[in-house]
Amino acid sequence: RKEVEQDPGPFNVPEGATVAFNCTYSNSASQSFFWYRQDCRKEPKLLMSVYSSGNEDGRFTAQLNRASQYISLLIRDSKLSDSATYLCVVNRNFNKFYFGSGTKLNVKP
Amino acid sequence: DTGVSQDPRHKITKRGQNVTFRCDPISEHNRLYWYRQTLGQGPEFLTYFQNEAQLEKSRLLSDRFSAERPKGSFSTLEIQRTEQGDSAMYLCASTPGGTSGGSSSYNEQFFGPGTRLTVL
Repeated sequence: RKEVEQDPGPFNVPEGATVAFNCTYSNSASQSFFWYRQDCRKEPKLLMSVYSSGNEDGRFTAQLNRASQYISLLIRDSKLSDSATYLCVVNRNFNKFYFGSGTKLNVKP
Repeated sequence: DTGVSQDPRHKITKRGQNVTFRCDPISEHNRLYWYRQTLGQGPEFLTYFQNEAQLEKSRLLSDRFSAERPKGSFSTLEIQRTEQGDSAMYLCASTPGGTSGGSSSYNEQFFGPGTRLTVL
């Protein structure tokens, strides 16, 4: 079983839409959680960390459900520039990082 | 530029040749990671260093792969006798890290632009 699983998509949404991605992780001992964004043929960049109480950064909201072992990312008022692949990342023992395969988002005019 | 840098950005080689990649992390970061990424997949962990010590290697890393971080600063990843299956993007990342963990923000990874390897 993979450490981190994501729906690969693609999610095709119009500008202004709200879209949500989920990610599940297999190891309950995972301690830190992140969403990274990766543009085509570029390196991943941190979008936001995910905290137990949930956190928001502008149009982006991240939630963590430890009991069900899933993480979500909500994007409101989608922009064309949000088109990218979103990678779910978990960290255990503050050592190795496990990446999901990514969810591709296409925001269309 | 104070970010993570990697060299070269692109490498084309023939099967059987050896290649070496370099990564320069953010200067104050203790931890350095190497990943491999193929099309449609997320980065796969290869190995990581805490300062100069290599603490873990993935089972993905065959005997043909070796990594060093001799002075706890830059790192090199060498692939010997390359195979076509080695074609991928090789990413390096660094974090502030620490020996006893820390908050989520302390473990944010900063990636370099990657080295794209093509083995013909």
